[in-house]
Amino acid sequence: LAKTTQPISMDSYEGQEVNITCSHNNIATNDYITWYQQFPSQGPRFIIQGYKTKVTNEVASLFIPADRKSSTLSLPRVSLSDTAVYYCLVGGRDGGSQGNLIFGKGTKLSVKP
Amino acid sequence: DTGVSQNPRHKITKRGQNVTFRCDPISEHNRLYWYRQTLGQGPEFLTYFQNEAQLEKSRLLSDRFSAERPKGSFSTLEIQRTEQGDSAMYLCASSLRLAGSTDTQYFGPGTRLTVL
Repeated sequence: LAKTTQPISMDSYEGQEVNITCSHNNIATNDYITWYQQFPSQGPRFIIQGYKTKVTNEVASLFIPADRKSSTLSLPRVSLSDTAVYYCLVGGRDGGSQGNLIFGKGTKLSVKP
Repeated sequence: DTGVSQNPRHKITKRGQNVTFRCDPISEHNRLYWYRQTLGQGPEFLTYFQNEAQLEKSRLLSDRFSAERPKGSFSTLEIQRTEQGDSAMYLCASSLRLAGSTDTQYFGPGTRLTVL
């Protein structure tokens, strides 16, 4: 499974757009990119997943360049409740890896008023 | 609520005691995963099942740990002779793995184990 690198921490203010970039230089052809959000004492919550180009849902956008060696999670107009740890992971489609996710330490986002 | 559920949410035990945790996955999800998370770290994979078959175990899973998913639905994780180093959050996740699809895992709230 491809290893990912992301900033340890980021600070932002309410109402700002936050972009968290993740590097995954060794991503395989079959790998897709998934982001999770985790609050203290809770399980990770699925945010968004993509393979290439751009994916958008009601919570976030995921930008993936053509070489797929990095990805950027974009959170529009963050609020205090977006303070959490954000994990970037890569994993295989069907026929790929056994499916277990390898989490790093994630990016601790702190949103200030 | 049709998400992944875990029981108990908190467990305090004395060193040397056995503990068992239960995970109920999202209905019809064929894969079930167990992870362990310690403070300041991301979750670490322990083991996973596809239906009732346990397909992989991490080397983190010592012989004191055993997991079952007898009917391919709920799963239990048992820790025998607990040690203080077992104190952690134990997370369960489930997914629906189909041919040609991605394997999006959905996590439960976790069971916080404290070994005194």
